[in-house]
Amino acid sequence: GAVVSQHPSRVICKSGTSVKIECRSLDFQATTMFWYRQFPKQSLMLMATSNEGSKATYEQGVEKDKFLINHASLTLSTLTVTSAHPEDSSFYICSAHGGINEQFFGPGTRLTVL
Amino acid sequence: AQSVTQPDIHITVSEGASLELRCNYSYGATPYLFWYVQSPGQGLQLLLKYFSGDTLVQGIKGFEAEFKRSQSSFNLRKPSVHWSDAAEYFCAVGASLNQAGTALIFGKGTTLSVSS
Repeated sequence: GAVVSQHPSRVICKSGTSVKIECRSLDFQATTMFWYRQFPKQSLMLMATSNEGSKATYEQGVEKDKFLINHASLTLSTLTVTSAHPEDSSFYICSAHGGINEQFFGPGTRLTVL
Repeated sequence: AQSVTQPDIHITVSEGASLELRCNYSYGATPYLFWYVQSPGQGLQLLLKYFSGDTLVQGIKGFEAEFKRSQSSFNLRKPSVHWSDAAEYFCAVGASLNQAGTALIFGKGTTLSVSS
């Protein structure tokens, strides 16, 4: 089946620094990728929709200047958390839509901001 | 508004017993329904999905789910639970992904514990 990878799997950073998370579709081209955030014991909440070659669409309440999304190719989308703060600590999961009726999820990235 | 409700936050089942996890949805169009499983600290694994056709769908690991339009439900079942089934289960609904690529709406999840 289709595989989506995320890197890094976990990251610890100091407050005020920026962190980049990569999401790659390994064996298919993804015109659309989605970024979700999951707080402990919570469900997944959509943050933004990333379309290759165009600006991301952010959900209400998600700061686009804080969570920068770039979808520069059909196999790579990146999420950069700028000036991270402890409240940004979460599990970030991406998924990729490969033109068939299913999304494929990455394994997630655990971000801890000290 | 579109939403997914999983009424049970936590369920404990004895190993070997049957399991049913409930899911109700509210969706304006024809729903595409999914069940995912998540182990601690891990990503999501698709158990099964329903798009059309037979309302009883079979998935991996012995799971099945039945779509009942009249009840707006898509309950997940397994006849005999194994200790390795202990995990978080999410029901999700979405529109067709053939066109714009629509994100999924997830329920809050049900934590399954398996007792010996």
